[in-house]
Amino acid sequence: QVQLQESGPGLVKPSETLSLTCTVSGASITTYYWSWVRQPPGKGLEWIGYMYHTGDTNYNPALKSRVTISVDRSKNQFSLKLTSVTAADTAVYYCVKSHSMDVWGKGTTVTVSS
Amino acid sequence: EIVLTQSPGTLSLSPGERATLSCRASQSISNNYLGWYQQKPGQGPRLLIYAASSRATGIPDRFSGSGTGTDFTLTISRLEPEDFAVYFCQQYGSTPRTFGQGTKVEIK
Repeated sequence: QVQLQESGPGLVKPSETLSLTCTVSGASITTYYWSWVRQPPGKGLEWIGYMYHTGDTNYNPALKSRVTISVDRSKNQFSLKLTSVTAADTAVYYCVKSHSMDVWGKGTTVTVSS
Repeated sequence: EIVLTQSPGTLSLSPGERATLSCRASQSISNNYLGWYQQKPGQGPRLLIYAASSRATGIPDRFSGSGTGTDFTLTISRLEPEDFAVYFCQQYGSTPRTFGQGTKVEIK
């Protein structure tokens, strides 16, 4: 059974960089595409981007200039970096497996505040 | 970018009733790559239906999906107490991936 677990700071200051890691268990990081999705408080879901272990990435144009998704094959993990954050980046962040998004992590809440 | 519009915004029904949720796309979705997800408060979404009409692993057969092109439907044949939640559609036929705004199914 595939499981995903997000980790990272719950509080980030404005203008700084948000960094999150997703640890994958029950599947190899080299087998599927992996995405990040976020959900601001009380709002809908927003796709951030996806990556494949070969380095193939695709980002939401609305965030593209600030986003990097990368992989650590040795740890079976993938990561999200979002630069120059503002209060609008406050959200629950999910890591997700596959294009069909068939497995989701529990989500981690990130608040942007000084 | 494909915009997904879900209707209605809220559906008030009683247990045992049939729920019909709509998801309309601003342009045709490639290969009908449309998914439906259920989300309960404080939880992450759960995939119910992929490729418009295929049930995900472990999903009860009271959930069914249909549609093609730009018009898609999620049907819950008989609502169980645990089915009252928010439902989202999502397209993965093109990038950027996009989600509908959600339909809340609440107890009448």
